[in-house]
Amino acid sequence: AQSVSQHNHHVILSEAASLELGCNYSYGGTVNLFWYVQYPGQHLQLLLKYFSGDPLVKGIKGFEAEFIKSKFSFNLRKPSVQWSDTAEYFCAVIPGGSQGNLIFGKGTKLSVKP
Amino acid sequence: EAQVTQNPRYLITVTGKKLTVTCSQNMNHEYMSWYRQDPGLGLRQIYYSMNVEVTDKGDVPEGYKVSRKEKRNFPLILESPSPNQTSLYFCASSAGSRGYTFGSGTRLTVV
Repeated sequence: AQSVSQHNHHVILSEAASLELGCNYSYGGTVNLFWYVQYPGQHLQLLLKYFSGDPLVKGIKGFEAEFIKSKFSFNLRKPSVQWSDTAEYFCAVIPGGSQGNLIFGKGTKLSVKP
Repeated sequence: EAQVTQNPRYLITVTGKKLTVTCSQNMNHEYMSWYRQDPGLGLRQIYYSMNVEVTDKGDVPEGYKVSRKEKRNFPLILESPSPNQTSLYFCASSAGSRGYTFGSGTRLTVV
């Protein structure tokens, strides 16, 4: 079945540690890719997105993601996390590049220890 | 301010009592969608609408209804709520495949 997989359910880091959250999707062809963040008690906010062009995408708050087509991956990275990055992170895909279903992964909860 | 507005933010109801969660967007977006969020399951799509009078089922449509009589509004209707519909619900809208705007969420508890 077509899906979006996030490998880690819960990641715990200390402040200043580097972060990489994995995301793989199983759709062939064109895809639009997104990372959303949900801070405790809040709604989803867009961190970054990829449609085409440079596979290294920079988003808000120092986050970046790299699209690797051959690996069907779109991993999220941040060189140095802060306590305020504690949140849940969702990878999402629109298959086919057309308006339609935004398919989410199950999310990764990030806890950053001060 | 461009936004998606959901109401209510919190709702506690009893099994079987019909309820409607409203969703309105002020961006003239054609596409609107409803998701439910449950721990460990991420966000799952309930229904979506590509335009006025055009709606379609998502992954978990059972127990829900929607309507799209106007472009800006996309209410979610639970005709006979059950406890397994206790969840956090999000409405979203989009002008295309390049970005979605989410509402603030509605936390529903069915007892």
